[in-house]
Parts: sequence; C-alpha cells; structure tokens
Amino acid sequence: ETGVTQSPTHLIKTRGQQVTLRCSSQSGHNTVSWYQQALGQGPQFIFQYYREEENGRGNFPPRFSGLQFPNYSSELNVNALELDDSALYLCASSLSGPRRNEQFFGPGTRLTVL
Amino acid sequence: AQSVTQPDIHITVSEGASLELRCNYSYGATPYLFWYVQSPGQGLQLLLKYFSGDTLVQGIKGFEAEFKRSQSSFNLRKPSVHWSDAAEYFCAVLTGGGNKLTFGTGTQLKVEL
Repeated sequence: ETGVTQSPTHLIKTRGQQVTLRCSSQSGHNTVSWYQQALGQGPQFIFQYYREEENGRGNFPPRFSGLQFPNYSSELNVNALELDDSALYLCASSLSGPRRNEQFFGPGTRLTVL
Repeated sequence: AQSVTQPDIHITVSEGASLELRCNYSYGATPYLFWYVQSPGQGLQLLLKYFSGDTLVQGIKGFEAEFKRSQSSFNLRKPSVHWSDAAEYFCAVLTGGGNKLTFGTGTQLKVEL
C-alpha cells in the first residue's frame, strides 16, 4: 500500500510569484485535505477536496486554490505569494464516511518565499 | 468556536521516565480526537485516535490516551520514554462536519539520556 506522497520536497519562490504543490493520496482514499504549518505552529486547515469538489475551506484567501483529479491526486495553487506564505504545506488523504475520517499525512513541501 | 489547547510548549523528561502530555479541547458535539507526532522536517504520524467507546485508547509505540469528557481533556501518556520519542506532539479534534482537523500548537518533547 502506497502512502501519501508530495512534491516537490522543497521550493524557493519570490514574493508575487505563483506556486503549485502536488499530492498523491494513499491507495483507496478519495478525499484530500491541505494544511499550512508555519514555523512553531500547529497545522492550519486550508481546504478539502472530495470527488473533485471543494468540501470545506478554512480561513485562507482566494489566492489559495486547489484541484482534485479523477485519480484523487490533488494540487494546491498559491498566487501572488507573500512572505507569510513561507511554511510547510501538508497534504492528508482519507476515506469519506462518518467513521472513516482518519487522515494520513504526507511528508510535506517546505515553501520559502523571499 | 472549536479549539485545542496544549498548555505545555516544551517538556523535558529523562529516558525511562513516564510521560504525560496535556490536551484540552473545546467542541460542542461528541469529539473525534487524535494525537499525532512529528519528527523534525517530517510529516505527521498518527499515534492514536478516539471516536467513541472505551475512553482509554491504545496507540502505536506504547502510547495511550484517556478521554475525559467532564474535563474536556485527552491527555497522552507513556509509562517509559525512549530517546527516540523526542519529537513534537500535536493533539487535534475533527470538526467542520468531519472534514477539518483543528490542531493545538504542539508540545516539543526532549528526552535526556
């Protein structure tokens, strides 16, 4: 069984640029969630995708957007990067259903905005 | 609003000593609670979870946690800590209709040899 994978591992961008982060969900999982973890903080929920539709969103501006593909993999796109966007971005996959909400996390993508 | 509080930012214990990490939550409905561990530069690994039933739950690596509804707590325990347990530990509650984990700010555990 393949776990959650994310790419790239590290990324350096400059302010104002755009970035795309990728996530492959664990085999059999149809739901993907994205979290932002700033240094010294707990992860903050960005949004979740289920069956290619956004299924809940946290307190993040619209320049944070996402996609989910038919194979359940997902992308996180961030436009007009700001210095405060520097963080570890975590992807988590899970099965839908009321008793199947355990989320399995990938290793994360470390984004640095200069 | 839902929230999770981990009162201890840093904890240092000696190898072989017992450990208890505190977690308090604020959530109106029956909570689904989790403990995750994060090693430096790594993602999150699930240690254990509470959905319902027995309030004492067992997890991986010898960890256990006890759900106490009256105290809104879900404290993590281990009877004997190993040096490899040094990491950051996060408590989380599932909210938003089941699609969002709300995390605490974490407790950094240091193990002295």
